Amino acid sequence: GAGVSQSPSNKVTEKGKDVELRCDPISGHTALYWYRQRLGQGLEFLIYFQGNSAPDKSGLPSDRFSAERTGESVSTLTIQRTQQEDSAVYLCASSLGTGGAGYGYTFGSGTRLTVV
Amino acid sequence: GESVGLHLPTLSVQEGDNSIINCAYSNSASDYFIWYKQESGKGPQFIIDIRSNMDKRQGQRVTVLLNKTVKHLSLQIAATQPGDSAVYFCAERPNTGNQFYFGTGTSLTVIP
Repeated sequence: GAGVSQSPSNKVTEKGKDVELRCDPISGHTALYWYRQRLGQGLEFLIYFQGNSAPDKSGLPSDRFSAERTGESVSTLTIQRTQQEDSAVYLCASSLGTGGAGYGYTFGSGTRLTVV
Repeated sequence: GESVGLHLPTLSVQEGDNSIINCAYSNSASDYFIWYKQESGKGPQFIIDIRSNMDKRQGQRVTVLLNKTVKHLSLQIAATQPGDSAVYFCAERPNTGNQFYFGTGTSLTVIP
């Protein structure tokens, strides 16, 4: 597609429920990232996928968070047993690679998650 | 985690004036930096980047300056327009990893 697409754009869930967020990267982009942005704050790195390499999960805040990616396409971020502190905008970004300058991200518009 | 901070959380400028947004970063091993603009309800949008082997890079109405000695980055916007109102983030990428670390952001408001 022309840009990074995320769905849903908004999600309200009850505490304790599981949620799944989806990201469709730009076609041909081998790298895919998930970030979390709490209200009024910067972006917090969660997880990174690069091609068929093992993902970098170093930013996942707890074992309730997991993510999958099918090849170099769609990725899903799953949050189990959601807590109120999980409320945030979850941003997905993709890029051509990570080799150096010019490999900046293209971000999606994010999924705004509200846990009530 | 990394620490990328901004000197001013908010900035108001008159339309037509120049804007300067500052950023301090903590990792001397960072070799690539990007400025992003985020409008309300949207994801961050790439503005301009710079590698650590440069100290200045210019784009259309924007200039990024990098001072590695004091680990400082700035974004200059010439002839600021109302459409420039947004939150601006600097991001650094250490040469030891693949991800970027973002600062809190500076909210720029352009006064007509």
